[in-house]
Amino acid sequence: QKEVEQDPGPLSVPEGAIVSLNCTYSNSAFQYFMWYRQYSRKGPELLMYTYSSGNKEDGRFTAQVDKSSKYISLFIRDSQPSDSATYLCAGGGNNRLAFGKGNQVVVIP
Amino acid sequence: DADVTQTPRNRITKTGKRIMLECSQTKGHDRMYWYRQDPGLGLQLIYYSFDVKDINKGEISDGYSVSRQAQAKFSLSLESAIPNQTALYFCATSGTPGYGGDNEQFFGPGTRLTVL
Repeated sequence: QKEVEQDPGPLSVPEGAIVSLNCTYSNSAFQYFMWYRQYSRKGPELLMYTYSSGNKEDGRFTAQVDKSSKYISLFIRDSQPSDSATYLCAGGGNNRLAFGKGNQVVVIP
Repeated sequence: DADVTQTPRNRITKTGKRIMLECSQTKGHDRMYWYRQDPGLGLQLIYYSFDVKDINKGEISDGYSVSRQAQAKFSLSLESAIPNQTALYFCATSGTPGYGGDNEQFFGPGTRLTVL
């Protein structure tokens, strides 16, 4: 079992919809959580970074962490075609990151 | 200029050949990483280095070796390439937590390697 599980199935949504992405993790030692965005033929880039349970907002993006259930989520409000990318969740602790498989999102104009 | 650069960006080689992928960074970070990315498997850590004299194996180090030539340079070698090493390879860097850095990893643009 991977430390971070993420359903990789492609997700297609119409422009303006809310995108909801989820991951679960198994390592209780994880102290921080990240969401990376990866455009086609590019390296991943950090989108959101959280340390504790609860919500963190940054513009149209909200990251949610529930440590009691080992569940992390990313919500994208008012989705735009430019949000079309692969989103990777990650859990970190003890000087390393473990990544989920990534979730491809397509926002249709 | 990009902070993390990788060369080459694309490479096609044959089974049994020795291949070196190079990574350079201008971010001044001590920590550097090599990952491979395969469809459906996500990012898997191959090797990582926390300073010039430190080299550590990651999840999938078999068939790979690394060299940390300087703080800014970290190269990945495939001594005898095989077809199942066909993948997208990423180099990443991070600062040292507690020394002005945190755990964010900055990725290079990737090298697409095909082994025939």
